[in-house]
Amino acid sequence: AQSVTQLDSHVSVSEGTPVLLRCNYSSSYSPSLFWYVQHPNKGLQLLLKYTSAATLVKGINGFEAEFKKSETSFHLTKPSAHMSDAAEYFCVVSGGGSNYKLTFGKGTLLTVNP
Amino acid sequence: DAGVIQSPRHEVTEMGQEVTLRCKPISGHNSLFWYRQTMMRGLELLIYFNNNVPIDDSGMPEDRFSAKMPNASFSTLKIQPSEPRDSAVYFCATRRGDGGTQYFGPGTRLLVL
Repeated sequence: AQSVTQLDSHVSVSEGTPVLLRCNYSSSYSPSLFWYVQHPNKGLQLLLKYTSAATLVKGINGFEAEFKKSETSFHLTKPSAHMSDAAEYFCVVSGGGSNYKLTFGKGTLLTVNP
Repeated sequence: DAGVIQSPRHEVTEMGQEVTLRCKPISGHNSLFWYRQTMMRGLELLIYFNNNVPIDDSGMPEDRFSAKMPNASFSTLKIQPSEPRDSAVYFCATRRGDGGTQYFGPGTRLLVL
């Protein structure tokens, strides 16, 4: 079985300050991990993915995430928040004996204040 | 690349009516997924097709829901009869090959009155 826990349901930052969205996972297998972003009334867009290559993964729009097996974490970071980053972010794990089932976290709503 | 195309983008209907949601996958993608997103339950996988064949429909809520993929370019999700508790955002996602990244469409926002 696999699971994902997003530790914060809501994160609020000021424009230009760093962003940290936290995610812990549980998986019996070597997982693939993803971060998706959903802007209001939009679909889900892939930000980045980890698939057992480099542990530091760079994504679009300046986001990156680090896979830490010892901590079972896959936190998402960005050095400087932009107003356009305001959205909901989902941490997702794939694996667990299936090559298609995605397990989604409950999401973290990021608010960026001017 | 046009991405995954879903229609309609919004649907408002009355309880008891039939609802049909449509999805056109990205060209060359051979796997297709239907998801439902609600505030209470988050994102749930409803059904998964591979090469047009339903592989896993364990997430389909009940017999009122049915999905088809008659060819590699088109899939439908039908609810008959619809109920207010079916109100949600329905996403279609597709991918190329086994284990590839899933790409999501913009979703259909369904409201059943």
